[in-house]
Amino acid sequence: DAGVTQSPTHLIKTRGQHVTLRCSPISGHKSVSWYQQVLGQGPQFIFQYYEKEERGRGNFPDRFSARQFPNYSSELNVNALLLGDSALYLCASSSQGNEQYFGPGTRLTVT
Amino acid sequence: GENVEQHPSTLSVQEGDSAVIKCTYSDSASNYFPWYKQELGKRPQLIIDIRSNVGEKKDQRIAVTLNKTAKHFSLHITETQPEDSAVYFCAASKEETSYDKVIFGPGTSLSVIP
Repeated sequence: DAGVTQSPTHLIKTRGQHVTLRCSPISGHKSVSWYQQVLGQGPQFIFQYYEKEERGRGNFPDRFSARQFPNYSSELNVNALLLGDSALYLCASSSQGNEQYFGPGTRLTVT
Repeated sequence: GENVEQHPSTLSVQEGDSAVIKCTYSDSASNYFPWYKQELGKRPQLIIDIRSNVGEKKDQRIAVTLNKTAKHFSLHITETQPEDSAVYFCAASKEETSYDKVIFGPGTSLSVIP
């Protein structure tokens, strides 16, 4: 079985640009969560989607948005990038319950 | 909102010794407590979890304990090995169907010295 996949693996953007990150959950998992992990810190919750609906939102500005598609894959969008948005963005999928399985992450660098 | 604290931030032990990492949480409604191991440059991996209806759970060399009254939980690793070296994160959440918000602690960097 394939695990959670994310694309791209690495990305370099300039301040003010927009970025879209993608995630495919484990087959059969209907829930996808997004986390931001700054170097040396724990993952910070951004969004959670279940059955294509937003079920949770963390303390992130409106520049961050996400959506989930009918096949349960998901996109995270970040507008007007700031230097402080540089981080590892992790996607996690789960079925019912909270056992989350993480993807390899997308390393975003904003210059 | 929910907050999770974790201590120590760094921990160094000799191979074969035990390691203990402690966490506290703020939301008394939390009922699911996973632990993740993250090796350098890799994704967090779920290593063990505990739910509020039990006080202790063990899986080979790893055990977790939960004290709901005090709102703290701990990870115990016995007979540590060099491959246990990693950053360990505790987390807490309210386990409800379709609601997966998980709050992570800041992490403990464990070094096992051969």
